Amino acid sequence: EAQVTQNPRYLITVTGKKLTVTCSQNMNHEYMSWYRQDPGLGLRQIYYSMNVEVTDKGDVPEGYKVSRKEKRNFPLILESPSPNQTSLYFCASHSGSTGELFFGEGSRLTVL
Amino acid sequence: KQEVTQIPAALSVPEGENLVLNCSFTDSAIYNLQWFRQDPGKGLTSLLLIQSSQREQTSGRLNASLDKSSGRSTLYIAASQPGDSATYLCAAYMNRDDKIIFGKGTRLHILP
Repeated sequence: EAQVTQNPRYLITVTGKKLTVTCSQNMNHEYMSWYRQDPGLGLRQIYYSMNVEVTDKGDVPEGYKVSRKEKRNFPLILESPSPNQTSLYFCASHSGSTGELFFGEGSRLTVL
Repeated sequence: KQEVTQIPAALSVPEGENLVLNCSFTDSAIYNLQWFRQDPGKGLTSLLLIQSSQREQTSGRLNASLDKSSGRSTLYIAASQPGDSATYLCAAYMNRDDKIIFGKGTRLHILP
């Protein structure tokens, strides 16, 4: 089954404690991206990757890091989380041929 | 600046009615347009994908149309049901810079 899997689904952490949200897709997609969703602000892109070792900033990259060492994985790293990074995070992937976007189930992060 | 707009932000209709959700985009050079459904606090479920060469796509009670020249897409829902209550988002994949732009969604409430 084609899917994007992200973990953890729920996380409560404290300010400054580094965390990583993993994302994996099984569709051999070149493109992967991370979004955050906040009430009234909609979906905002954090980072995206067009292929292995190719990443670029989205609209709200501050406070986040990513890496793309393998085609299937695209982890999101919060080196020093702050309360304003409390949000619902989504990983997504798409192929260059159809452009159809597939989303993970979401990760709800709370930073105290 | 490329923008995708969904109006209205919220809509309530009685069960059984047919309804149309609107999505407009400022740049007509799109690769495709995709409609999603999102239940509160949940992930995004893809409903329909329309490639730029297509005029419409249908799935069950849903029909999505695309008019690039006018910068509009519509999602038609026939014989609405309470289970259709959700937020509906559209996303336009832009040719110009390979970006996917999301609307902020229409929150639909079907009254039993």
